[in-house]
Amino acid sequence: DVKVTQSSRYLVKRTGEKVFLECVQDMDHENMFWYRQDPGLGLRLIYFSYDVKMKEKGDIPEGYSVSREKKERFSLILESASTNQTSMYLCASHGQVFYNEQFFGPGTRLTVL
Amino acid sequence: AQTVTQSQPEMSVQEAETVTLSCTYDTSESNYYLFWYKQPPSRQMILVIRQEAYKQQNATENRFSVNFQKAAKSFSLKISDSQLGDTAMYFCAFMRTNTGNQFYFGTGTSLTVIP
Repeated sequence: DVKVTQSSRYLVKRTGEKVFLECVQDMDHENMFWYRQDPGLGLRLIYFSYDVKMKEKGDIPEGYSVSREKKERFSLILESASTNQTSMYLCASHGQVFYNEQFFGPGTRLTVL
Repeated sequence: AQTVTQSQPEMSVQEAETVTLSCTYDTSESNYYLFWYKQPPSRQMILVIRQEAYKQQNATENRFSVNFQKAAKSFSLKISDSQLGDTAMYFCAFMRTNTGNQFYFGTGTSLTVIP
């Protein structure tokens, strides 16, 4: 059974803290994605990676960075968390077979106080 | 740029009835893939159904089927014999076949199945 896991389901941080969200997939997928989900706005792409050490900005990269040192792991970093980054964060992975869907992790609900 | 529009933020349907969720998209590409995802309350996003743009035949998956109109750039989801477990947020998604296989998602439709 394919799996995408995220390090935390719920996270509470203070303004200005550095925050790491980790995502691991076991499907040997080349492509990995970080989304932010907010009510009424759907899923918005923050960053994606199509290979180890490769990254591309999505639609809302400001305030975020990413790291992909190993194929199975894709990390999202909030350098200095702010209250407007309170949201649900979803990680997804996708292989090179176009027909296949993106597989999602369970999500991390981040609250920044 | 690719955009995906879901014009129905909320819908409800009586149990055992049929409901159709709308989705339109905008692209200049000729080959692409379309997906419907389901996100139950506090649960993981899962695939409902997929459609390849070069296939004219509409995809069907048990009680779920799509009406794919390529010229109109429309991709609606029909749920037959609605069940309580169908209560969820539904997202329409478009995928380009380029580097990274980037997906574009609509804003979602919250469906409630009423007993």
